[in-house]
Amino acid sequence: DSGVTQTPKHLITATGQRVTLRCSPRSGDLSVYWYQQSLDQGLQFLIQYYNGEERAKGNILERFSAQQFPDLHSELNLSSLELGDSALYFCASSVEGGTTEAFFGQGTRLTVV
Amino acid sequence: GENVEQHPSTLSVQEGDSAVIKCTYSDSASNYFPWYKQELGKRPQLIIDIRSNVGEKKDQRIAVTLNKTAKHFSLHITETQPEDSAVYFCAVRAAGNKLTFGGGTRVLVKP
Repeated sequence: DSGVTQTPKHLITATGQRVTLRCSPRSGDLSVYWYQQSLDQGLQFLIQYYNGEERAKGNILERFSAQQFPDLHSELNLSSLELGDSALYFCASSVEGGTTEAFFGQGTRLTVV
Repeated sequence: GENVEQHPSTLSVQEGDSAVIKCTYSDSASNYFPWYKQELGKRPQLIIDIRSNVGEKKDQRIAVTLNKTAKHFSLHITETQPEDSAVYFCAVRAAGNKLTFGGGTRVLVKP
């Protein structure tokens, strides 16, 4: 167990809908990262937050947004869902953003039908 | 932005042989280089990492080497075992702290 908790583990929803994925980082970790992994693909960086502030942004679609709350948990919001958004979404956390290890949660498997 | 290339994309080795995976990166300011192992349907797990002030690091059968001048680093697995079969990802953290991953290497260890 990495200490990073993601909910829900599985999510099935219809095209056009909106979903929210939740991530609770390890205790003491200030930095949260979101990644998208499509079937048999690599880990595509979406966005990073550090202590409530956006730190870095990757190829995140405009239909996607995220935030980190004062208690350091983070939510990834996906709207106007398309079939191609079906993927495994991972959250990772680290103490800070420098040379410290990042630990991954179990992921949320999103299926858009 | 940072570009990380990982080779090979697939690697098949005989049990007991060594496996080597190489990654190159573009941002010379990068200072942290972890390697992750991901089994099917599971989360990536950190197996070893190296920081820019170190050239080599070893942990039992796993070692990582870093050449900052050439901007490449490698993962070496010796005496491979069937449980080493997985997808391995290299990653690089540069300025701004974004952690960028390579495309992954699918390793198959044949008994």
